Amino acid sequence: AQSVTQLGSHVSVSEGALVLLRCNYSSSVPPYLFWYVQYPNQGLQLLLKYTSAATLVKGINGFEAEFKKSETSFHLTKPSAHMSDAAEYFCAVSNQGGKLIFGQGTELSVKP
Amino acid sequence: KAGVTQTPRYLIKTRGQQVTLSCSPISGHRSVSWYQQTPGQGLQFLFEYFSETQRNKGNFPGRFSGRQFSNSRSEMNVSTLELGDSALYLCASSPRLAGEYNEQFFGPGTRLTVL
Repeated sequence: AQSVTQLGSHVSVSEGALVLLRCNYSSSVPPYLFWYVQYPNQGLQLLLKYTSAATLVKGINGFEAEFKKSETSFHLTKPSAHMSDAAEYFCAVSNQGGKLIFGQGTELSVKP
Repeated sequence: KAGVTQTPRYLIKTRGQQVTLSCSPISGHRSVSWYQQTPGQGLQFLFEYFSETQRNKGNFPGRFSGRQFSNSRSEMNVSTLELGDSALYLCASSPRLAGEYNEQFFGPGTRLTVL
């Protein structure tokens, strides 16, 4: 069975600071891994995805994530936070089927 | 290309009623998946439809059902509504092409409130 654990339900950073959102996964098969962002009253937008190509994945809005098989991790980072990054972020895992398994989400706050 | 659309965006029902939510996928996408989002349980997979057939199902009671039409549009139905069914229901579509991973694109959701 596949599962995802996001460490920290709330993360607060100052504008310009490093953003680090943690995600660990469990999967018995090579996983596909994703980070989605959700702004208030909106659906989910894909930030980036890992599908067994390069382990360092670059996404939109300056975000990137590194797949580390030995640590079963897929942490999301951004070198410099912007006020517009404040949102909820979800890590998800999937096999080839049309089913995503999500973590509980991490709410990112950005202080001026 | 137009994105995934969901109607209605907001819905208020009372306990015991039933509700039908609609999802129109991106043109050319043949797979539609449904998710329930609540503060307590987070995002949970309901079911996936592909070529008018249910391909995957999550752990939800039989009150939750869905269908897909020949134009790939999908509906989900919840019968005998309970207070706990209050949630944001998200629909996602993907091309579901064989041999590669297919990204899911999400709609804005339908906010269901059960009173």
